Formats: sequence, C-alpha cells, structure tokens
Amino acid sequence: DGGITQSPKYLFRKEGQNVTLSCEQNLNHDAMYWYRQDPGQGLRLIYYSQIVNDFQKGDIAEGYSVSREKKESFPLTVTSAQKNPTAFYLCASSMRTGANTEAFFGQGTRLTVV
Amino acid sequence: GENVEQHPSTLSVQEGDSAVIKCTYSDSASNYFPWYKQELGKRPQLIIDIRSNVGEKKDQRIAVTLNKTAKHFSLHITETQPEDSAVYFCAASIPPPRDDKIIFGKGTRLHILP
Repeated sequence: DGGITQSPKYLFRKEGQNVTLSCEQNLNHDAMYWYRQDPGQGLRLIYYSQIVNDFQKGDIAEGYSVSREKKESFPLTVTSAQKNPTAFYLCASSMRTGANTEAFFGQGTRLTVV
Repeated sequence: GENVEQHPSTLSVQEGDSAVIKCTYSDSASNYFPWYKQELGKRPQLIIDIRSNVGEKKDQRIAVTLNKTAKHFSLHITETQPEDSAVYFCAASIPPPRDDKIIFGKGTRLHILP
C-alpha cells in the first residue's frame, strides 16, 4: 500500500525512555523525510535525508535523531530530550527532488508518552 | 529558511459551492508546489501539483493557480461534494543544490455542509 511502511501504528512509552520509529520504503526513492503532525500545526519537518549516510536537520530536530544506513530505511529515535514527544509522526519518501516529484507518506505512528 | 503560510485554517462551504485555499511562500527559489489531501485517520495523498513554469493546472473539479511574482498559489475546488471534506496541505519545494526538502503549510480543514 503505497510502498512505504511505518511501524508500529501505535506506540506507548514511559517518560524518559528513548523510542525508535521504523520507516521502510521499497520505491527506490533517494529522499526520505520525517514530519511531526500536531493539531493546528500542520506537518513540521524533523529530519530529512537525500542519500544514504547523509541527513539534515529540519525545523524541529531538537530531541530527535535519525540514521540512513540503507536506502530503504530511515528510522527516527525520539530521545528523552524531546520535551513534548506525544504526537503523530509521518514518514515520507520521494525521488531525489531535483525532479521535484510527489512525496509518498506512510500511514503514520501515533506516539503517546505517559 | 523556507516558510509556507496557508489560509484559512478552517473553511466551511455548502455542498455544490466552490472552495478556495490560499498559500504564500517565502523563498523565490521554490519551483514545485504540491497539494495534499488528508482524510480523517489516513495518510496525506497528492491531489494536484504545479511547477514554476506553469501558471495554472486543472484536473476535473480541482485547479491550482500560481503567481510567481507574488509568491502565491491557490487551490480551487468546484462543485464541492461530501467526500471533499478533509484537511488540505499546500507545500513548496526548493531544488538542490540550494536545498532538497518539502515544506508544508499548516493545513486547512474543509467542511462540506449538506
């Protein structure tokens, strides 16, 4: 379904624990993105990667970390330094945007920190 | 960095009437402007896009216009139907080598009234 898979769909964690959200795509896309969605805030960019072993901070990177060891995978770690981690997280991928093409989204992970 | 402003945040229209959502962008290097629709509980999906070398694009009941001078683009939905109820996001993309990311507006929640 769309070729980009996020897991799990729902995630609960205790405050102070790190948690890693998975994102895998089989679309052979170079670019991958992580967005956070909060009510009334739209989609805010956390991190993005244009190529394997390289990534850049987005607008709200503090408290998050990523890796891009494989083209297909772009996991996001929400660390204990993130002050308000409860949110809906969306991963997306696109062809290298030199072509400026459509971004395909995963189904999202709803993270709740208690 | 690039900023995308979207208005209104909420829009209610009678079924059969037209809906217009407006966005402005800050970086004149932006050259690709997609629109995404997110139905409740689902992932955002592309509904139409426009590139900076085009002023208008139509796809059935949906059209997008771009004014590069004013750095302004709009989504027009005609003959609205109940299934048009959703959150709509505009976005702008800056190509490499300057950048390689997609920045979204905060979204417009569209309600189609019976």
